[in-house]
Amino acid sequence: QVQLQESGPGLVKPSETLSLTCTVSGGSIGTYYWSWIRQAPGKGLEWIAHIYKSGTTNYNPALKSRVSMSVDTSKSQFSLNLRSVTAADTGVYYCARIEYSDLSYFFDVWGRGALVTVSS
Amino acid sequence: EIVLTQSPGTLSVSPGERATLSCRASESIRRSYLSWYQHKPGQAPRLLIHGTSRATGIPDRFSASGSGTDFTLSISRVEPEDSAVYYCQQYGGSLYSFGPGTKVEIK
Repeated sequence: QVQLQESGPGLVKPSETLSLTCTVSGGSIGTYYWSWIRQAPGKGLEWIAHIYKSGTTNYNPALKSRVSMSVDTSKSQFSLNLRSVTAADTGVYYCARIEYSDLSYFFDVWGRGALVTVSS
Repeated sequence: EIVLTQSPGTLSVSPGERATLSCRASESIRRSYLSWYQHKPGQAPRLLIHGTSRATGIPDRFSASGSGTDFTLSISRVEPEDSAVYYCQQYGGSLYSFGPGTKVEIK
């Protein structure tokens, strides 16, 4: 059974870079797309970005200028970098696996989430 | 960009009653492009339904329907454990978006 685990600093200073890593266990990282999704306090879910094993990425247009993803298949990990953070970037960050079925994509496996607070 | 809206914002139901949650898209989408998730506080969101197919382990009291711009998640006989926020999500143009969620409260 595939499991995902987020890791990274829980506190980031304003204007700095938020960096998170998701480790995939119990399955192959090579046959799926992988994604980051976040939830600000009291808000709904917001898709951030996705990546494939080849390194092909796609980003939420609202965050595209500040975000990047990378993948390390040898470590079964993928990562998120979000630059120039502000308090609005505070929230729980989830990594998730993207499944494909019937011409559509959806998030079928999720990590437990990592709380990141942006504060000086 | 396709925007999803959900209604009602909060739904209060008694155990055993039927709950009907609505998700409306700003433009027509394929039914298969619409998925539903359950999110409980402190937990990871859980995939309930993609298109009209229930995810593994999801009880058959959860069902989805709809087409075009209007979609519905139904819980046929609500149980106390169904207390959660429910999100719809769409995929299109290699982008994903979520609705704002419907909170289901159990009376």
